[in-house]
Amino acid sequence: GAVVSQHPSRVICKSGTSVKIECRSLDFQATTMFWYRQFPKQSLMLMATSNEGSKATYEQGVEKDKFLINHASLTLSTLTVTSAHPEDSSFYICSARVSGIPQETQYFGPGTRLLVL
Amino acid sequence: DAKTTQPNSMESNEEEPVHLPCNHSTISGTDYIHWYRQLPSQGPEYVIHGLTSNVNNRMASLAIAEDRKSSTLILHRATLRDAAVYYCILRGPSGAGSYQLTFGKGTKLSVIP
Repeated sequence: GAVVSQHPSRVICKSGTSVKIECRSLDFQATTMFWYRQFPKQSLMLMATSNEGSKATYEQGVEKDKFLINHASLTLSTLTVTSAHPEDSSFYICSARVSGIPQETQYFGPGTRLLVL
Repeated sequence: DAKTTQPNSMESNEEEPVHLPCNHSTISGTDYIHWYRQLPSQGPEYVIHGLTSNVNNRMASLAIAEDRKSSTLILHRATLRDAAVYYCILRGPSGAGSYQLTFGKGTKLSVIP
């Protein structure tokens, strides 16, 4: 099946710094990538939908200036958490959609655990 | 989005079959039923999906009620590696822009050795 990777797998940073998370589709082209956030013992919450070559669409309550998304190619999307604070500590997961297949599934990355001190 | 209801948790003995229920009484005629699972500290993975007919793949079977208001994910022989949170998700037809997945709380499956 299709493989999605994320880098880094975990990151610890100081409050006020920015962190970039990469999401790559390794063996397919992803027209659309999604970014989710998951707090401990909670379900995944969609943050934004990222389409190659266009601006991301953010869910209500997600600050677009704080969570910068770039989808520059069909295999790479990045999420940058700017001026991170301890409340941004979470498990960030991306997924990619394989276009052109009826009722296509989404393929998820392994997640990035962010801890802001 | 139409809502799904799943039990918070279930237990199964290893090597026994597991039936994970999902209620979706407000499902529309064009909604597909998707199942994903999330192992601890990992991203979710696709399990199976269907529309009206029962479906089988190498991971599981999906039994869909005739009125489509409920479905059951069947793991034929649970292993310790099947311990995960299982999510039942409804999705509209492709082409309608309904590519997003809305995750509920899912069912946490514990497998007892």
